[in-house]
Amino acid sequence: VQLVQSGAEVKKPGASVKVSCKASGYTFTDYYIHWVRQAPGQGLEWMGWINPHYGDTTYAQKFQGRVTLTSDSSINTVDMELRRLRFDDSAVFYCARVRHFGSGLADSWGQGTLVTVSS
Amino acid sequence: EIVLTQTPLSLSVTPGQPASISCKSSQSLLQTDGKTYLYWYLQKPGQSPQLLIYEVSNRFSGVPDRFSGSGSGTDFTLKISRVEAEDVGFYYCMQSKQLFTFGPGTKVDIK
Repeated sequence: VQLVQSGAEVKKPGASVKVSCKASGYTFTDYYIHWVRQAPGQGLEWMGWINPHYGDTTYAQKFQGRVTLTSDSSINTVDMELRRLRFDDSAVFYCARVRHFGSGLADSWGQGTLVTVSS
Repeated sequence: EIVLTQTPLSLSVTPGQPASISCKSSQSLLQTDGKTYLYWYLQKPGQSPQLLIYEVSNRFSGVPDRFSGSGSGTDFTLKISRVEAEDVGFYYCMQSKQLFTFGPGTKVDIK
């Protein structure tokens, strides 16, 4: 099982960023993909999840309206787009897979993608 | 929103000695299905988080038996029976009863 994320990004305030998470080694549509943000020197913050089988999503209230998760089962990839970037969005973003709805059992994580928001 | 608090926020431990981290929830994490959705993750320096314990007390595959979890309702504990050098990092409790939230993390280092 592997979740491989796209590379680091540098964006200007107000721009959007899209981070991808490519899954391999398991049946892609059998697991939810969650996204977690970690600002520099800070803790973990859950952003949302997507069910690649049906495409349904749930987002943390903090990110509602600014984040969109999409999945493409033809290439086993989930994308996380964060819009209207602010300086405090600079963080490492992780994807993680979870087998069951409502479970917090994330048994495999991506390597993380650093997004830097800088003018 | 369910809020998780952890104590202590920092812990310095002599190798071979035990360590204990508390996680308290603002609401009971017991779900109507009878399960309690409380997890423990470890983030080692420079690494992605890794699952240690799921549903309060179940060790994840490959996790050494020196790690144990206990608790119920709103109060939970992670114990390391004999800390080893490889155990350094940040420990996070997490709940999934109502969406998902993490505790603030506890930094564990070696004396």
